[in-house]
Amino acid sequence: TAGITQAPTSQILAAGRRMTLRCTQDMRHNAMYWYRQDLGLGLRLIHYSNTAGTTGKGEVPDGYSVSRANTDDFPLTLASAVPSQTSVYFCASSDLAGEGNEQFFGPGTRLTVL
Amino acid sequence: GQNIDQPTEMTATEGAIVQINCTYQTSGFNGLFWYQQHAGEAPTFLSYNVLDGLEEKGRFSSFLSRSKGYSYLLLKELQMKDSASYLCAVLDSNYQLIWGAGTKLIIKP
Repeated sequence: TAGITQAPTSQILAAGRRMTLRCTQDMRHNAMYWYRQDLGLGLRLIHYSNTAGTTGKGEVPDGYSVSRANTDDFPLTLASAVPSQTSVYFCASSDLAGEGNEQFFGPGTRLTVL
Repeated sequence: GQNIDQPTEMTATEGAIVQINCTYQTSGFNGLFWYQQHAGEAPTFLSYNVLDGLEEKGRFSSFLSRSKGYSYLLLKELQMKDSASYLCAVLDSNYQLIWGAGTKLIIKP
């Protein structure tokens, strides 16, 4: 099984452009998450979804939006990219949201906003 | 605020033992995770502790003291492939993971 896939692998984007990062999982996990990882900082949660049809805001949601139309897909959209959104973005999933459920991570998308 | 502290970098010798510490101050506690992340790759799960004590899994062990807000990851019989960053993360009262910045472990022959 593929687990979690993300696309694109990397992207260079002009400031002000709209961009959607794709994430798909084939494990039938209920919960999905988007993180950004910046040098010297821990992973920071952007948005999450505990089950299809629901989403929630994480620690750093501003400038990002998500949708969860079905179990497998959880796209992250930057409506108007800014240089501070340059980061590595990881999508993750877990069987359930909550205690003891390990999160499985996708390979990441390296995004540069100029 | 919520805070997770771990050393930025550690160096150890192949075949030796290393202990990576993590201290945390979070709003609530529903468990602590350790993940391994090789450079340029995704984090992968190593261990989960929710009760005090030591959890052993092969060469890796993880310890938790909830009263002290402290955990450590113990790696034995170090191999070159153990060179990676080790991430400590706490599940807070909202069941969201709060992550430390990670400890980069360098293994020397």
